[in-house]
Amino acid sequence: EAGVAQSPRYKIIEKRQSVAFWCNPISGHATLYWYQQILGQGPKLLIQFQNNGVVDDSQLPKDRFSAERLKGVDSTLKIQPAKLEDSAVYLCASSLAGDRGVSEAFFGQGTRLTVV
Amino acid sequence: AQTVTQSQPEMSVQEAETVTLSCTYDTSESDYYLFWYKQPPSRQMILVIRQEAYKQQNATENRFSVNFQKAAKSFSLKISDSQLGDAAMYFCAYRRGNTGGFKTIFGAGTRLFVKA
Repeated sequence: EAGVAQSPRYKIIEKRQSVAFWCNPISGHATLYWYQQILGQGPKLLIQFQNNGVVDDSQLPKDRFSAERLKGVDSTLKIQPAKLEDSAVYLCASSLAGDRGVSEAFFGQGTRLTVV
Repeated sequence: AQTVTQSQPEMSVQEAETVTLSCTYDTSESDYYLFWYKQPPSRQMILVIRQEAYKQQNATENRFSVNFQKAAKSFSLKISDSQLGDAAMYFCAYRRGNTGGFKTIFGAGTRLFVKA
């Protein structure tokens, strides 16, 4: 089974520029997550989708971050404009929905964003 | 709100020895799941082991086992016969068991060094 695919692997941008990350979850996984992992910290959930609907975006800085999941499959996360503190690894994960116990999240390799 | 605490930023173990990583969590829920994830330098989070809160028996996966103390809200990971490939960041994670979202909350992580 193919894993969670993310691109690009690395991105360097100047502050105030915009950037977009792409994620393709595991086939059949209805739940998709975007996490932000700042160096030395654990991942922090930014947004969670169930199919193409948002379940939780309470920690998403909505003034600069946006995300969408068209057709309930692929997802993009955008930052506009970027700030220095947005430098982090952005992890995408997916899981089965409606499965109470077994459905752990499967993670992609992440995108390392550096804002200079 | 649920929180996950890993009090050991770094741990070190001799190859073939046993090491225990600590994790405590705080929740008012009775139905939840706990996970240990491994994150090697490649950045991809890999599930090591999971524990359902309703199960009294501690989970075991080959050289990995947990000590789940529900009353104390403690969930430690024991790695037996440590191998060089076990060197990585280890994250303890919590997820609610009810429907309406499967947000996984992560601790800050413990970096494990394995000495040859």
